Amino acid sequence: AQSVTQPDIHITVSEGASLELRCNYSYGATPYLFWYVQSPGQGLQLLLKYFSGDTLVQGIKGFEAEFKRSQSSFNLRKPSVHWSDAAEYFCAVGNTNAGKSTFGDGTTLTVKP
Amino acid sequence: DTAVSQTPKYLVTQMGNDKSIKCEQNLGHDTMYWYKQDSKKFLKIMFSYNNKELIINETVPNRFSPKSPDKAHLNLHINSLELGDSAVYFCASSQNRGDYGYTFGSGTRLTVV
Repeated sequence: AQSVTQPDIHITVSEGASLELRCNYSYGATPYLFWYVQSPGQGLQLLLKYFSGDTLVQGIKGFEAEFKRSQSSFNLRKPSVHWSDAAEYFCAVGNTNAGKSTFGDGTTLTVKP
Repeated sequence: DTAVSQTPKYLVTQMGNDKSIKCEQNLGHDTMYWYKQDSKKFLKIMFSYNNKELIINETVPNRFSPKSPDKAHLNLHINSLELGDSAVYFCASSQNRGDYGYTFGSGTRLTVV
């Protein structure tokens, strides 16, 4: 069965600092991996996705993520965080056969001025 | 023009009532989903339809019944509402059942009193 672990429940960074959010997955085959962002009171927005190929993927809003098969990880990064990045971030693993994604429990990002 | 729209955005109702949530997508996607987000922000899939066909039916009480009149619409009807049904319900769509990333609606916050 597929599963996702986001080890950090809450992360606080200063505005302008770099950011890395961790995600570990469990999946029997090559995973489809996603990062979503949820601002307060909003739905989730897809930031980026990995299916195959280049293990470093670029997304919207200046985010990137790196797939590391050996570590079963798909960490999200941003070189310089803006106050507007404060939100809940979800990592997800997709199962193309079952046609559904399994989400991690989320990481809450707080940005200090 | 909203890609995935849900109505209503807020729903407050008494225990025992029956209510419906509607979802429409104008993306031309084949697959639509209902996810439930609880108070701890955990996301769990409930149902999925592909071209009006039910393809995912997770362990959900029989009181919940989805209906898809066409591939652009997916509604959720809930009978005999209970306190534990209080949550945010998200509709989402994807290009097809292969799950290449979702587009989410903004959610319906259901409060049962």
